[in-house]
Amino acid sequence: SQQGEEDPQALSIQEGENATMNCSYKTSINNLQWYRQNSGRGLVHLILIRSNEREKHSGRLRVTLDTSKKSSSLLITASRAADTASYFCATKNTGGFKTIFGAGTRLFVKA
Amino acid sequence: DADVTQTPRNRITKTGKRIMLECSQTKGHDRMYWYRQDPGLGLQLIYYSFDVKDINKGEISDGYSVSRQAQAKFSLSLESAIPNQTALYFCATSGAGNTGELFFGEGSRLTVL
Repeated sequence: SQQGEEDPQALSIQEGENATMNCSYKTSINNLQWYRQNSGRGLVHLILIRSNEREKHSGRLRVTLDTSKKSSSLLITASRAADTASYFCATKNTGGFKTIFGAGTRLFVKA
Repeated sequence: DADVTQTPRNRITKTGKRIMLECSQTKGHDRMYWYRQDPGLGLQLIYYSFDVKDINKGEISDGYSVSRQAQAKFSLSLESAIPNQTALYFCATSGAGNTGELFFGEGSRLTVL
């Protein structure tokens, strides 16, 4: 069963706009991670936020975590056509050994 | 060269055939995983191994088996392939730290006719 659920399932924006994707999860977590997958390729780790952190930045990426609402968001600023991909949140549960993935958000950035 | 290498990248086979997907890594990680991805869905964990002598079932292990031949090698077998095992299969590794950050191979696309 999936731990995280992303919203929206698909998102289409113009180049230069910001893209926001949301993730909700069900159990207590050690950390939450975001991954990117280009069509048919392997997933690439983007950013990790620990359960005691509320916000983290990496380049054009901003991740927030609200453990009281069991939710996270990924913001990509000034999007580019090359950002077109699927984005997955994944959680590592407290005391667990596995990383569990949501179904992903498909982002399409129009040039 | 890729840190996590999967072979074959694409395979078409028939129902009932035995299939092996292989994974090798140069990251020096102890932990290795096999995931399955169906179109439009996230990844489901099939098996994972934290060292050569440790093999654990994931969420969807029925119909699959694995072998950890060495620290760097982890293979997935479908003993008797069936059409609903058509999917994209990913091998991943992670280090000994507790973050769970995964490093993925490029995937093996399997089609069972």
